[in-house]
Amino acid sequence: QVQLQESGPGLVKPSETLSLTCAVSGYSISSGYYWGWVRQPPGQGLDWIVSFYHSGSTFYNPSLKSRVTVLVDTSKNQFSLNLTSVTAADTAIYYCVRLLTVTLIRGPFDYWGQGTLVTVSS
Amino acid sequence: DIQMTQSPSTLSASVGDRVTITCRASQSLGGWLAWYQQKPGKAPKLLMYKVSTLLGGVPSRFSGSGSGTEFTLTISSLQPDDFATYYCQHYNSYPVTFGPGTKVEIK
Repeated sequence: QVQLQESGPGLVKPSETLSLTCAVSGYSISSGYYWGWVRQPPGQGLDWIVSFYHSGSTFYNPSLKSRVTVLVDTSKNQFSLNLTSVTAADTAIYYCVRLLTVTLIRGPFDYWGQGTLVTVSS
Repeated sequence: DIQMTQSPSTLSASVGDRVTITCRASQSLGGWLAWYQQKPGKAPKLLMYKVSTLLGGVPSRFSGSGSGTEFTLTISSLQPDDFATYYCQHYNSYPVTFGPGTKVEIK
């Protein structure tokens, strides 16, 4: 059973960098599939942030691309999200996700972490 | 970017009702559309993809249809466990985007 678990600070100051890690169990990241991050501002809808393959192919939401970095650690079977220069608008629940099928480079997400709330406030 | 809309934004219904949610895209999706269910405090759950392909374990009372730019999610007989918010998502191209959601409430 594939499981994803987000971790990271729940509070980040404006202008600083939001850093989250997603630990994956039950499947090796390096074996395939695209992985990614989706966020949800409190009480609002879902926003896709980024999708990537372990070997380097990465797709970004254009609205966030200049501020987003993804790091993959296959030895620990985890990946990280860095979002720089955060503002209150980045306050959201952040989910790590996996694409449904190994054959698609984009698609629906069938595995989701439980989500972690990150608040941007001084 | 492809913009997604959903209607209605909120739907009040009773157990046993037939419920239909509409999702519209700003351009043709080629069938690359998925539906999710989200309950309060939980991550979204993928219900179906490619318009109408149900994931394993999803009750058959859920069905999807549509083509081009207009799609529907139908619950044939609403059950207590179905009260939730439903989102459509296109994956025709990057950036993938979600609809704003439809909340199904108890009438």
